[in-house]
Amino acid sequence: KQEVTQIPAALSVPEGENLVLNCSFTDSAIYNLQWFRQDPGKGLTSLLLIQSSQREQTSGRLNASLDKSSGRSTLYIAASQPGDSATYLCAVDNNRKLIWGLGTSLAVNP
Amino acid sequence: DTAVSQTPKYLVTQMGNDKSIKCEQNLGHDTMYWYKQDSKKFLKIMFSYNNKELIINETVPNRFSPKSPDKAHLNLHINSLELGDSAVYFCASSQAATEQFFGPGTRLTVL
Repeated sequence: KQEVTQIPAALSVPEGENLVLNCSFTDSAIYNLQWFRQDPGKGLTSLLLIQSSQREQTSGRLNASLDKSSGRSTLYIAASQPGDSATYLCAVDNNRKLIWGLGTSLAVNP
Repeated sequence: DTAVSQTPKYLVTQMGNDKSIKCEQNLGHDTMYWYKQDSKKFLKIMFSYNNKELIINETVPNRFSPKSPDKAHLNLHINSLELGDSAVYFCASSQAATEQFFGPGTRLTVL
């Protein structure tokens, strides 16, 4: 049974820092992995999708990597800003079924 | 706007009532989903439809009945609502096994 774990559960950093959020999964037979952002009381915004055959994806200040064999993904946020404050969720696609981590709650302080 | 939309955004109702949540996507996707986010913010898939056919049903009580009248719509009907059904319900869509796009969510409160 696929399980997804995200570490740390919460993170507070000063503005401008580079930071790394971690996601691990127990079953490497995944179709893809998605990183999402959720603001309090809001919906889910897709940030990056990494197909199982890919190693990384980049979008602006965000870079996500995938190591399927070790069951790990990282989301790197460069030069963090207060507007990056949100919960970041990792989800792995097991045949059209997204299995979710509990998220990392990020606070970027001005 | 191309998007996934859900109605209503908020739903407050009494225990025992029956209610429906509607979802529509205009992205031309062939697969739609319902997810539940509980009070601890844990997200879990409930159902998935591909081209109007049910392909995933994750041990959800049979009080929950999804209906897909066409590829662009997936509605969720809930009978005999219970306190534990209080949650945020998200609809999503994708084209086959690719990136999933989510609606804004429906916050259901059962009193």
